[in-house]
Amino acid sequence: QVQLVESGGGVVQPGRSLRLSCAASGFTFSSFGMHWVRQAPGKGLEWVAVIWYDGTNKYYADSVKGRFTISRDNSRNTLYLQMNSLRAEDTAVYYCARSIRLRGGYGYLDYWGQGALVTVSS
Amino acid sequence: DIQMTQSPPSLSASVGDRVVITCRASQSISSYLNWYQQMPGKAPKLLIHSASSLLSGVPTRFSGSGSGTDFTLTISSLQPEDFAAYYCQQTHSTPTFGQGTKVEIK
Repeated sequence: QVQLVESGGGVVQPGRSLRLSCAASGFTFSSFGMHWVRQAPGKGLEWVAVIWYDGTNKYYADSVKGRFTISRDNSRNTLYLQMNSLRAEDTAVYYCARSIRLRGGYGYLDYWGQGALVTVSS
Repeated sequence: DIQMTQSPPSLSASVGDRVVITCRASQSISSYLNWYQQMPGKAPKLLIHSASSLLSGVPTRFSGSGSGTDFTLTISSLQPEDFAAYYCQQTHSTPTFGQGTKVEIK
């Protein structure tokens, strides 16, 4: 069955960096686009970034552009989110999710991981 | 960026009620609209994609409609397990979510 497992969350000081990983199993990882979505405590969902199945295209929310980098290693079935220059407002649960694209657009998210909590605090 | 305005932010309803949640896009998104359900402390779960396509395994009391800028999620007869938060998401351009609707027990 499809499984997505995030890791790498924790407490980090403002201005520092952290890298999240998302280990995928149960499907052909290299055939699917992948997204990161976050949710601040008590708040709604915020889309963060997407990477195409082959890594050729990457897009970011304005709130993280220039600070976060999405990447993937299809040989390891793993998705990454490198987060630099972290701010207090980046505190959230970060979810990775698999994407299905139909006839263009950015796809819908059919499987989600359980989430990894990132807390940015001094 | 395309803004998604979801309403109402919250609602109280009873088991068996018909519930309608609306989502409006700031510009046309064709049918690139998805609906998710989120239980407290859990990851979101896809219910409907492409405005009206029900995901396999999702109860048929859930339905979606609309195109262009105006969309609705309807729960025809609310069940106890449906009390949750619901989010719309556009994927016509870089994705954005609506603010969410919390469905509570009356």
